[in-house]
Amino acid sequence: NAGVTQTPKFRVLKTGQSMTLLCAQDMNHEYMYWYRQDPGMGLRLIHYSVGEGTTAKGEVPDGYNVSRLKKQNFLLGLESAAPSQTSVYFCASLARRGMNTEAFFGQGTRLTVV
Amino acid sequence: SQQGEEDPQALSIQEGENATMNCSYKTSINNLQWYRQNSGRGLVHLILIRSNEREKHSGRLRVTLDTSKKSSSLLITASRAADTASYFCATGFNEKLTFGTGTRLTIIP
Repeated sequence: NAGVTQTPKFRVLKTGQSMTLLCAQDMNHEYMYWYRQDPGMGLRLIHYSVGEGTTAKGEVPDGYNVSRLKKQNFLLGLESAAPSQTSVYFCASLARRGMNTEAFFGQGTRLTVV
Repeated sequence: SQQGEEDPQALSIQEGENATMNCSYKTSINNLQWYRQNSGRGLVHLILIRSNEREKHSGRLRVTLDTSKKSSSLLITASRAADTASYFCATGFNEKLTFGTGTRLTIIP
């Protein structure tokens, strides 16, 4: 039982390049989330999804796009990477059950944009 | 802006002492949760308290919630070196799960 798996774990991008981060969960969870974590800022919500085919914006959505074509996968895309997107990205999933349940996190993707 | 803010930002105590950290939030909630993060790792769920609950215990953890003051506290009793980590509160409301800025806890052996 893998839980939540993020790929890749590390990546270095040049300014202007694009990339996709993949989050996969095997717990049949309805809700999935993408966060970024920066020093002193805690975790900030980028985008989230409440089910297959649905996405919504979080606190800091600019510069990112997401897709949830399959229930188990939630993709985060950077169309044109900027140094300000250097961060650690975390994916989480949560079973719906009225939201009163814990979230499970992946191990993170450390992204550096140079 | 972020929903929750933890206080203090950093806390150092001797092993065996109790650690208390606080969380304040801004809007309505369904629940409040606490998570732990060891350096460079993902977050791990510790405890959840629903908006209609006032106190909850789990092992050495005690959480309180005061919805009138929009605040929560996490007490870790009899701290251990392994408790050294960052602790985050998170508020759940409808489908959103929003985190605070965290408290860095250091347990001195």
